[in-house]
Amino acid sequence: DTGVSQDPRHKITKRGQNVTFRCDPISEHNRLYWYRQTLGQGPEFLTYFQNEAQLEKSRLLSDRFSAERPKGSFSTLEIQRTEQGDSAMYLCASSRRTVGNEQFFGPGTRLTVL
Amino acid sequence: AQTVTQSQPEMSVQEAETVTLSCTYDTSENNYYLFWYKQPPSRQMILVIRQEAYKQQNATENRFSVNFQKAAKSFSLKISDSQLGDTAMYFCAFVLNNAGNMLTFGGGTRLMVKP
Repeated sequence: DTGVSQDPRHKITKRGQNVTFRCDPISEHNRLYWYRQTLGQGPEFLTYFQNEAQLEKSRLLSDRFSAERPKGSFSTLEIQRTEQGDSAMYLCASSRRTVGNEQFFGPGTRLTVL
Repeated sequence: AQTVTQSQPEMSVQEAETVTLSCTYDTSENNYYLFWYKQPPSRQMILVIRQEAYKQQNATENRFSVNFQKAAKSFSLKISDSQLGDTAMYFCAFVLNNAGNMLTFGGGTRLMVKP
């Protein structure tokens, strides 16, 4: 299966710790997106990359959040000094460059901050 | 800024019957795309159907069809012959026809198909 994969699927951490999530997109997709989804809500856009360039960041992405896509393939999302409000599902999606193309979603990483 | 509203937090339907999920959106732009995504319990989100705003014809995909009313900024999803596997969260989403392609989602409708 060559779908979008995310690792880990679940992460439990204590407040104040740093966490890092990984996303592997579909190989021929040059766009990669991160979304955050809290329980019972729709996903909210965080940031996106076209190849290795980070082209847009949401206001939701505070200074404690950083994302990279160093070689234009996989991406990492790091949260520093986690807070309880960071508890959510973090979704990664990828797509081809053309506007309006379907975004393919990964299974998500569920973060719980104690 | 664009907003998407789904006014039905939960719905249920009997197997084999038809159900319609509502979605409205707000934008001052003219060129955009609309989507319905399905998120089954504990499974990843998948695309159900897509509509280009410049197309007047409503999109259909097998048992799924949309009623796109551009002037009213309404985009409802009709599921015919509902199946147990249709049980999921359904999200309406919007994207502008610009370089970004970032999706704006509604709050979702939880659909339960009952046997």
